[in-house]
Amino acid sequence: SQELEQSPQSLIVQEGKNLTINCTSSKTLYGLYWYKQKYGEGLIFLMMLQKGGEEKSHEKITAKLDEKKQQSSLHITASQPSHAGIYLCGAPQRTSGTYKYIFGTGTRLKVLA
Amino acid sequence: GAGVSQSPSNKVTEKGKDVELRCDPISGHTALYWYRQSLGQGLEFLIYFQGNSAPDKSGLPSDRFSAERTGGSVSTLTIQRTQQEDSAVYLCASTLGAPWEAFFGQGTRLTVV
Repeated sequence: SQELEQSPQSLIVQEGKNLTINCTSSKTLYGLYWYKQKYGEGLIFLMMLQKGGEEKSHEKITAKLDEKKQQSSLHITASQPSHAGIYLCGAPQRTSGTYKYIFGTGTRLKVLA
Repeated sequence: GAGVSQSPSNKVTEKGKDVELRCDPISGHTALYWYRQSLGQGLEFLIYFQGNSAPDKSGLPSDRFSAERTGGSVSTLTIQRTQQEDSAVYLCASTLGAPWEAFFGQGTRLTVV
């Protein structure tokens, strides 16, 4: 079955620093989704990438999809304490003609003020 | 509804009791997913529904876990004879179908004492 591996598993950065989180799939990607979860809360949709080479930005967060590498990266510029939380990548996995969503194990980000 | 609604938001139960967790998806969303998130862990897939049928139940941890969906809408996840290891946040998500984004509920925090 398809798996999504995220790296790093956890990250502590000083406020103002840039950082990158990677998500690598073991199988072909049919789109890649990024979510953020604040501690103790639900998941918030950040971005969806559907085509190879696609890049999207929201405020200071940019995500790219490399279809050939079956990988997506999430980049945060000039991190702030509000960026802290767990970042999860998700992807639809094709199974028997239908899809289900699978998720990576998450990257726990802490931003020090 | 406006978003995915889960109830209860918190549940404390005694070991050995049965519990029912409810998920109200966004109206019109055909696919519904259940995930479990233990403390500090990623999302563990449990089961998903396409309409009222469940093409994939492979994530259910044991036969104490069951789920149903009626009318292509509300879903109930039932855990029988709860054990302490069942303590986790149970998240529900709905989507129009891949490759569209999944919308998550706030989750039900289950504590088995």
